[in-house]
Amino acid sequence: GAGVSQSPSNKVTEKGKDVELRCDPISGHTALYWYRQSLGQGLEFLIYFQGNSAPDKSGLPSDRFSAERTGGSVSTLTIQRTQQEDSAVYLCASSLRADEQYFGPGTRLTVT
Amino acid sequence: GQNIDQPTEMTATEGAIVQINCTYQTSGFNGLFWYQQHAGEAPTFLSYNVLDGLEEKGRFSSFLSRSKGYSYLLLKELQMKDSASYLCAVLYTGGFKTIFGAGTRLFVKA
Repeated sequence: GAGVSQSPSNKVTEKGKDVELRCDPISGHTALYWYRQSLGQGLEFLIYFQGNSAPDKSGLPSDRFSAERTGGSVSTLTIQRTQQEDSAVYLCASSLRADEQYFGPGTRLTVT
Repeated sequence: GQNIDQPTEMTATEGAIVQINCTYQTSGFNGLFWYQQHAGEAPTFLSYNVLDGLEEKGRFSSFLSRSKGYSYLLLKELQMKDSASYLCAVLYTGGFKTIFGAGTRLFVKA
């Protein structure tokens, strides 16, 4: 079956511009997660959505970052006024249960 | 706290056994994941431990001691394809929030 998909796979943007990253979870998965991974580093938790509950936004690094999940499926991570330190791979994952996560291929964001 | 510590790099020889340790200092602990991540790829699930003890899956085993805040991943009969980063991650109770360590980069040499 189809796995988690993310788009675009690569994004180059100028400092100060806004970007939107998209995640399509596995069909039927109620939980969706966003992580950021800088070069050679581990995954940094950003936010997760679970069903109709309020999202856990505790990992968002600043108010320039926001995410939404429409209809309990597709999610968009928006970064406003991008900075060079935002350059990283942004990974999305989805799951049915808390003890599993299936990752997408990621979006590599480069801010010039 | 959310400190999850694992060695930065390890090197081992093909055919050997390697143990990658992970310690965590966290309240609200529910369970611990191990993921494998090859360069430029997404992490893939290896194991999830909730109870104390050792769980074996083929060449890979994972151990957890909740009282000590300690886990390890054991890789046997190392193969060159095992060269990758190994990520330890903690799941908190009451939700789905998962915090990852920085990862251990394993180099397998011939």
